[in-house]
Amino acid sequence: SYELTQPPSVSVSPGQTARIACSGDAFPKQYAHWYQQRPGQAPVLVIYKDSERPSGIPERFSGSSSGTTVTLTISGVQAEDEADYYCQSADNSGTSYVFGTGTRVTVL
Amino acid sequence: EVQLVQSGAEVKKPGESLRISCKGSGYTFTRHWIGWVRQMPGKGLEWMGIMYPGDSETRYSPSFQGQVTISADKSITTAYLQWNSLKASDTAIYYCVRRQESAHDFEFWGQGTLVTVSS
Repeated sequence: SYELTQPPSVSVSPGQTARIACSGDAFPKQYAHWYQQRPGQAPVLVIYKDSERPSGIPERFSGSSSGTTVTLTISGVQAEDEADYYCQSADNSGTSYVFGTGTRVTVL
Repeated sequence: EVQLVQSGAEVKKPGESLRISCKGSGYTFTRHWIGWVRQMPGKGLEWMGIMYPGDSETRYSPSFQGQVTISADKSITTAYLQWNSLKASDTAIYYCVRRQESAHDFEFWGQGTLVTVSS
């Protein structure tokens, strides 16, 4: 089955930049999307179509794509950004979806 | 305002059946794919399947094919996730999601339904 691979954890000091990579064979054919999940809450979409930001999402969240790897970047990390982050995409056929393994961002 | 409101937490015994619901509002229910995502305790997100209420076309993740049934009642703009025989390993939070048409992301999420299966 199709898989998306993320690092288990990323640690960053307040004000610094966090980068989370997500690797998958269907990139760049398929778009990547990113979700933030704070403890005890439902996930929230923070980036869609590789680099688009939904309304209400702070500008410090950005996305990029290069080959078979997509990256979520959080610039000027704040304490409230401490959460789990998941990438999501479709397989090559576009009819089945998958989430990445998830990355826990810890703000030191 | 688009909203997905899910039914409340359930506690069931192994072997019992269950159907949980997700009511959509604030949009045309029949024009957007609606799906389900599982999150087992302390684990990541898993896509289970998705349905287009307009024509009832349904797709399942291979991991969940045959294990659950996704359905919808257009008249009350509600989607369902059903089990015929629960197992302890079905204990999880289940989220309903609405797919964005242009990009296939899940732009709207329900609040989640906790299902606990224990003898």
